[in-house]
Parts: sequence; C-alpha cells; structure tokens
Amino acid sequence: AQSVTQLDSQVPVFEEAPVELRCNYSSSVSVYLFWYVQYPNQGLQLLLKYLSGSTLVKGINGFEAEFNKSQTSFHLRKPSVHISDTAEYFCAVSEAGNEKLTFGTGTRLTIIP
Amino acid sequence: DAGVIQSPRHEVTEMGQEVTLRCKPISGHDYLFWYRQTMMRGLELLIYFNNNVPIDDSGMPEDRFSAKMPNASFSTLKIQPSEPRDSAVYFCASSGSISYEQYFGPGTRLTVT
Repeated sequence: AQSVTQLDSQVPVFEEAPVELRCNYSSSVSVYLFWYVQYPNQGLQLLLKYLSGSTLVKGINGFEAEFNKSQTSFHLRKPSVHISDTAEYFCAVSEAGNEKLTFGTGTRLTIIP
Repeated sequence: DAGVIQSPRHEVTEMGQEVTLRCKPISGHDYLFWYRQTMMRGLELLIYFNNNVPIDDSGMPEDRFSAKMPNASFSTLKIQPSEPRDSAVYFCASSGSISYEQYFGPGTRLTVT
C-alpha cells in the first residue's frame, strides 16, 4: 500500500515570495504522483502529475514539482506567489497503472499581502 | 461540458434518516469515485467504479453506506440510517481511462443533527 506525508499543515508566505510545499511518499512499487489544489468551498483541481519521463513537471498557474526517487519526494514549488494562490494543496500517490489515489492530509497555503 | 455535477449541494438531516447523494460524471469518463472529507480524517476514498462496476469498496465505513451506478451517467451514495459522525463533505470525481486525472464535483456538505 502507498502512503503520503505532507509535513507542513500550514505555510504562510509573503506575496511575490517563492514557496515550496513538501510531499514524501512511501511505496514498494512504481508510483504516479499528483498535486491537487482546493479553493474554499470547491472541489479539488489537478495542478500537475508525474507518470513517467522527465522528473521536473510543470503544471498550471506557474507551479512545478520535481520527482526525486531516491528521496521519495515530490515537492511543489512556485517562484513567486500571488494572493490568488491562497488554497489548500494536496499531494496524492497511486500505484503505477492504478486509478486509485491516496491523498496526503493537505497543506494550507496562506499568502500575506 | 458542465463538469461533474453533484446534488444536493447542502443537506441537513436528522439522525436516523436516509440520505441520498447524487452524482453525474463527465460524459465519456469511465471511472467514478466517491470521497469523504472531514477535518479529522482528511480526504478518504469510499468506493470507485469502472464502467459502472464497483472495483474497490474497501473505504466504505460500514453497512449503513451503499453506492450504486445504474448507468454511465449517474451514481448514488446512500446512508441509511444516518448518524452525526457522517457529517462531512462528500465529493464525487470522474476520470477517463489512462488519463489519471480525476475531475471533482463541487461536493455535497452533509450535516446530520
């Protein structure tokens, strides 16, 4: 079985500053990795996904993530955040080829003007 | 496409009553997922279907919960009898084969008093 750990439950960041949201996973098999964003009172929306190939993945809204197999990590980064990035971010993992996702507990990103 | 449609958006009911949540997936998607989100337990997968067939219901908390997908465009999640601990936001999501991108509905906020 897979598991995901998001160590930071809340991350406050000043507007236009860079941000990194951390995600580590545990699995005995090959995995697919995902980042989803949830804005207040909405469902989740896919930011980006890693299935195979280049370990640096670019997503929507200027976000990117890097798959590091040796460190079993998939950290999310953005070089300059905006007020509109205020949301909860979820890392998720699935067994490669399997549609079933396991989500982390989420990181609440708060942008300080 | 209108996206994943869920109804009702809000449901308030008394303990012991039957509750039915409804979901219309995106046309052409052959996977459908039901999730529950609470502050205490985060985002949990309850059950998912492929081509209208339940594939994994290991997340269904107990026999009070049941889910059906009578056709490709409709699914229900039923709780009978409901209990206060069932209070949560319930999300439906759908995806197409091999895309590994789940599209979430806006959720149903259930309050059981």
